[in-house]
Amino acid sequence: EDKVVQSPLSLVVHEGDTVTLNCSYEVTNFRSLLWYKQEKKAPTFLFMLTSSGIEKKSGRLSSILDKKELFSILNITATQTGDSAVYLCAVGSAGNQFYFGTGTSLTVIP
Amino acid sequence: GAGVSQTPSNKVTEKGKYVELRCDPISGHTALYWYRQSLGQGPEFLIYFQGTGAADDSGLPNDRFFAVRPEGSVSTLKIQRTERGDSAVYLCASSLLAGSYNEQFFGPGTRLTVL
Repeated sequence: EDKVVQSPLSLVVHEGDTVTLNCSYEVTNFRSLLWYKQEKKAPTFLFMLTSSGIEKKSGRLSSILDKKELFSILNITATQTGDSAVYLCAVGSAGNQFYFGTGTSLTVIP
Repeated sequence: GAGVSQTPSNKVTEKGKYVELRCDPISGHTALYWYRQSLGQGPEFLIYFQGTGAADDSGLPNDRFFAVRPEGSVSTLKIQRTERGDSAVYLCASSLLAGSYNEQFFGPGTRLTVL
């Protein structure tokens, strides 16, 4: 059965801390891995990763994929209260389906 | 509009009733996806359309769920004989093309509550 597992389930940090969110997967015919930020309802796109070892970066956020070990990490440096959200990992398969993890709930305390 | 829109934003209904949820994708996006998200869970795939046809409906939980996209733009998710277990946020997403290399843009969702 295809599955995506995220850890930790929740995380509370102080402003300025650096956090690492994990996503491991077992998906048949992997094609892509995506990270989303979900604050209220609509997930907003952060990154799409398709190749191992190539870091994607956007401001304080960065992500990398390891297709051999079947995982990805999302790093957030110098966290701010606006980073508080649920971070979702999704894996796209050859069948054009996307499998989502349950998310990591991040709370950044001032 | 600039993004994906969904109506209504909230729907409260009674067990056994019929509901329709609407999704307006980004103009020009050929692929449209429906997901269901229960509390504390990630979005769960239901169905996706490429143009007017349902390319994959394997995620629909049972035959009470049906979706259409008659003109290749707006889509409606229809749920018959609603049950309490159908309560969730129903998310719609669109992408320029179908396929796992294409970014999906999500709507704000419809929160369905079945009493």
